[in-house]
Amino acid sequence: DADVTQTPRNRITKTGKRIMLECSQTKGHDRMYWYRQDPGLGLRLIYYSFDVKDINKGEISDGYSVSRQAQAKFSLSLESAIPNQTALYFCATSVGLAGGPVGTQYFGPGTRLLVL
Amino acid sequence: KNQVEQSPQSLIILEGKNCTLQCNYTVSPFSNLRWYKQDTGRGPVSLTIMTFSENTKSNGRYTATLDADTKQSSLHITASQLSDSASYICVVSAYGYNNDMRFGAGTRLTVKP
Repeated sequence: DADVTQTPRNRITKTGKRIMLECSQTKGHDRMYWYRQDPGLGLRLIYYSFDVKDINKGEISDGYSVSRQAQAKFSLSLESAIPNQTALYFCATSVGLAGGPVGTQYFGPGTRLLVL
Repeated sequence: KNQVEQSPQSLIILEGKNCTLQCNYTVSPFSNLRWYKQDTGRGPVSLTIMTFSENTKSNGRYTATLDADTKQSSLHITASQLSDSASYICVVSAYGYNNDMRFGAGTRLTVKP
């Protein structure tokens, strides 16, 4: 079984709709992240969470919100989807600085979102 | 402006040949630099991670180098295989508590038989 899973893998929605992307991990990591990837651009950080009670905005958080329901679950919501949110979305996890290779992230398989 | 620039954008080589991918960065203060491999339709997978004091790190046929003075890194792939066809992403982290990482746009490598 995959260590980091994302659902759904593909989603088509219409402008103005609210959608949620979900991420679950079995690695026991305390840190979780949401990124989006657009063609020709690097991954950009949307939100990150260092533990259940810690949520932080990333580089491009406008139009998105997140929820850390448990250590293993981190959800990304688009409250009112717009076409320029069409992208590939990745969830990632990592250990904290206290243990393991510093900063290594483990990515999920991605969710391909199309907003019409 | 992206603080991590990778070159070339794309590269085609024949199976068995070597190649070198470049990464230049302006992220400061520097904490660490990572190279990831991303197969089409999959999430990135870590290849190497280097901190300020390391200038070479190998992972099988992949060897990464770091020159912190010139703020340059390279990823050398030896004896390429068809399975090396992927995007290779350079990620540079700034030192500090916040997760300030910058991703390069990647180099798309195609290995042909």
